[in-house]
Amino acid sequence: QLQLRESGPGLVKPSATLSLTCTVSSGSISSDNYFWGWVRQPPGKGLEWIGSAYYSGTTYYNPSLKSRVTISVDTSKNQFSLKLTSVTAADTAMYFCAGEGLFFAWGQGTLVTVSA
Amino acid sequence: QLVLTQSPSASASLGTSVRLTCTLSSGHSGYAIAWHQQQTQQGPRFLMKVTSDGGHSKGDGIPDRFSGSSSGAERYLIISSLQSEDEADYYCQTWGTGIRVFGGGTKLTVL
Repeated sequence: QLQLRESGPGLVKPSATLSLTCTVSSGSISSDNYFWGWVRQPPGKGLEWIGSAYYSGTTYYNPSLKSRVTISVDTSKNQFSLKLTSVTAADTAMYFCAGEGLFFAWGQGTLVTVSA
Repeated sequence: QLVLTQSPSASASLGTSVRLTCTLSSGHSGYAIAWHQQQTQQGPRFLMKVTSDGGHSKGDGIPDRFSGSSSGAERYLIISSLQSEDEADYYCQTWGTGIRVFGGGTKLTVL
């Protein structure tokens, strides 16, 4: 069963870049059957899609975040990453990585707080 | 525009059944969706995919009490023999080329 785990700083300063990594286990990130995505959830709110990437390099981003988001896939490490630039307090949220395929798989999430 | 609409809340009594609804926006009634469960202070858990013809494919370990169906632009999650641990937020999700969309979620209370 596919397993995903997020890692990265829990505190980021305003205007800085948020960087998170998702490590995939019990499966290959180079699978033809999966996209790899990031989803976030501000405190007390619903789920928001950030973007998704295919191992070949194809990426799709939420139009509302597109100018600040980069998702990349590292097949040698079986990982994919999220970079979100110019963060503000509105970017404070739980960040989840997910595998999107015939079935979906979720990481446990990591809380990122934007604060000075 | 691809949009999913869910009622903000639902409630049902222990041991009974409940049907949660996710409605696809006009022109998108052929889309499949996924249902995810999020219990308090936990990450989402994939429950199943539901196609436009009502077929559904469940994730590993999802009890038989959970099932899905469809009618037109509506996709349903049916939970039978409700248990206390079913109290959670339920999100539907759909996808197209270059886009993923979540519904606003339904908070299910088990009475």
